[in-house]
Amino acid sequence: EAGVTQFPSHSVIEKGQTVTLRCDPISGHDNLYWYRRVMGKEIKFLLHFVKESKQDESGMPNNRFLAERTGGTYSTLKVQPAELEDSGVYFCASSQTVNTEAFFGQGTRLTVV
Amino acid sequence: AQRVTQPEKLLSVFKGAPVELKCNYSYSGSPELFWYVQYSRQRLQLLLRHISRESIKGFTADLNKGETSFHLKKPFAQEEDSAMYYCALRALGGYNKLIFGAGTRLAVHP
Repeated sequence: EAGVTQFPSHSVIEKGQTVTLRCDPISGHDNLYWYRRVMGKEIKFLLHFVKESKQDESGMPNNRFLAERTGGTYSTLKVQPAELEDSGVYFCASSQTVNTEAFFGQGTRLTVV
Repeated sequence: AQRVTQPEKLLSVFKGAPVELKCNYSYSGSPELFWYVQYSRQRLQLLLRHISRESIKGFTADLNKGETSFHLKKPFAQEEDSAMYYCALRALGGYNKLIFGAGTRLAVHP
């Protein structure tokens, strides 16, 4: 069974540009989560989808970040415009229910220069 | 405020030595505690959770509510245990919203 897949694995962009990260959850998992780890700091929750609906987006840092999950399948996280402090590793995770184990993707390493 | 603290960024031991990765948490209710591990070039994966009270790969962790700790222990470290370890907390009813510590890198030397 395929695990959680994230694209791209690494992205380097200039400040002010736009980047879109994609996450394909495990098939059948209604719950999808985005987290990010900024250099040297803890992994922080960004938001949680249940199917196509945002259950909790309390961790989104500001309105430069937009997450979507059209159709309740894959999700995208767009950063526009990117700033230097957005650099870090963005993780996606999915779970079958809210209480079952969340499986993580490999992460996307975003570098803003 | 909910917080997870892992005081050590790096723990370096020799093969066969005991290991204890420290984790302290701050939470007003009854949390669920987890240990996640990320081996080199692999994804973050669940190692164990306190409600399971099981030993995985020789690791155990006991929730101490009095000391608000959830330290990860292994009596005899192996080289393949070298990885990044994250302690995490989930509030009951927290819909899998995990609060992570900063992580501890465990390096086991031959």
